[in-house]
Amino acid sequence: NAGVTQTPKFRVLKTGQSMTLLCAQDMNHEYMYWYRQDPGMGLRLIHYSVGEGTTAKGEVPDGYNVSRLKKQNFLLGLESAAPSQTSVYFCATNRLTGNYPEQYFGPGTRLTVT
Amino acid sequence: SQQGEEDPQALSIQEGENATMNCSYKTSINNLQWYRQNSGRGLVHLILIRSNEREKHSGRLRVTLDTSKKSSSLLITASRAADTASYFCATDERSLIQGAQKLVFGQGTRLTINP
Repeated sequence: NAGVTQTPKFRVLKTGQSMTLLCAQDMNHEYMYWYRQDPGMGLRLIHYSVGEGTTAKGEVPDGYNVSRLKKQNFLLGLESAAPSQTSVYFCATNRLTGNYPEQYFGPGTRLTVT
Repeated sequence: SQQGEEDPQALSIQEGENATMNCSYKTSINNLQWYRQNSGRGLVHLILIRSNEREKHSGRLRVTLDTSKKSSSLLITASRAADTASYFCATDERSLIQGAQKLVFGQGTRLTINP
């Protein structure tokens, strides 16, 4: 039972390059989230998904796209990376809310855009 | 925008002492959660308190919630070196899509426990 995994762990991009971050979970959770964390700050929500085939924008969605083609995977894409997207990206999941609102986090992907 | 503001930003105490961290927020909430983050790792859920609760305990953790002041505090008793980490409060804002959740995190308190 791996929980929430993220690939890659580290990546360096040049401005304008594209990449996809993969989040995978084996807990059969309905909800999945992508956050970014900048130095000295809390996490900010980029996009989230309430189920397979459904996504929605969070607080800071500009410059990112997401897809949830399979329940266990949530992909975050950067079409044209910018230095402002240098950050640590975290994926999180949880069950249907109500009695189980706590989120489970992956280990993070550290992205540097030069 | 950050809903939660945490105080202090950094706290350094001796092992065995108690550590108190505070969180303030701006809007109505369903619940407030505390998470811990070790350096270079993901966040781990510690404890949740619902909007109709005033105090909750879990092991050495004690959380209080004052909805009239829109504030919460996390107390770690008898601190240990292994408690060294950053601690974040997160408020649960209900999204427009039924049942979905949007946690809004504070900036965190960096806690250092000195042996």
